[in-house]
Amino acid sequence: QQKVQQSPESLIVPEGGMASLNCTSSDRNVDYFWWYRQHSGKSPKMLMSIFSNGEKEEGRFTVHLNKASLHTSLHIRDSQPSDSALYLCAASKGGNTGKLIFGLGTTLQVQP
Amino acid sequence: DPKIIQKPKYLVAVTGSEKILICEQYLGHNAMYWYRQSAKKPLEFMFSYSYQKLMDNQTASSRFQPQSSKKNHLDLQITALKPDDSATYFCASSRGGDAEQFFGPGTRLTVL
Repeated sequence: QQKVQQSPESLIVPEGGMASLNCTSSDRNVDYFWWYRQHSGKSPKMLMSIFSNGEKEEGRFTVHLNKASLHTSLHIRDSQPSDSALYLCAASKGGNTGKLIFGLGTTLQVQP
Repeated sequence: DPKIIQKPKYLVAVTGSEKILICEQYLGHNAMYWYRQSAKKPLEFMFSYSYQKLMDNQTASSRFQPQSSKKNHLDLQITALKPDDSATYFCASSRGGDAEQFFGPGTRLTVL
């Protein structure tokens, strides 16, 4: 079983709609969560990170974290076709190794 | 200008051969990493280096050997290649610790 589980596996939203992606870690030793976006044929690029309970907003993107349940969610409002990509959630433990543990990702398709 | 360079972009090798994947970063970062991404599997952490010293190794096989000749270089030597080694290999870098990791464009390796 994956240590970082993401749902749904794939998601289709209309242009201008809201996309909601979920991620949970089964490893209770993680401290930080990261959201990366990977367009087809490209490398992952970090969208947002969250380390504390609560919510963080940057433009159209909002991320939530519940540290007790080790659950994070990413919400994209006013979705655009250019948001169509693979969204990867990663978790890491505090420390110096920098090891990121990734989930399988959610494939988002925004339909014009 | 690309800040993280990986060479080659594509690589085809025969089973049993040896290849070196090149990674150079020009972000002034102290930490560098290797990840592997293959179909149906999550992006997988392989190694992390900080100031040219190995911090973490999650690769079970000694066939994979990172080589750091300079602070901004972290090459990956793979010996006795197997078809299962076919994947896209991403190099990443960061300021270290829990800082954001930036990924290079990747090397797609196919082992026949």
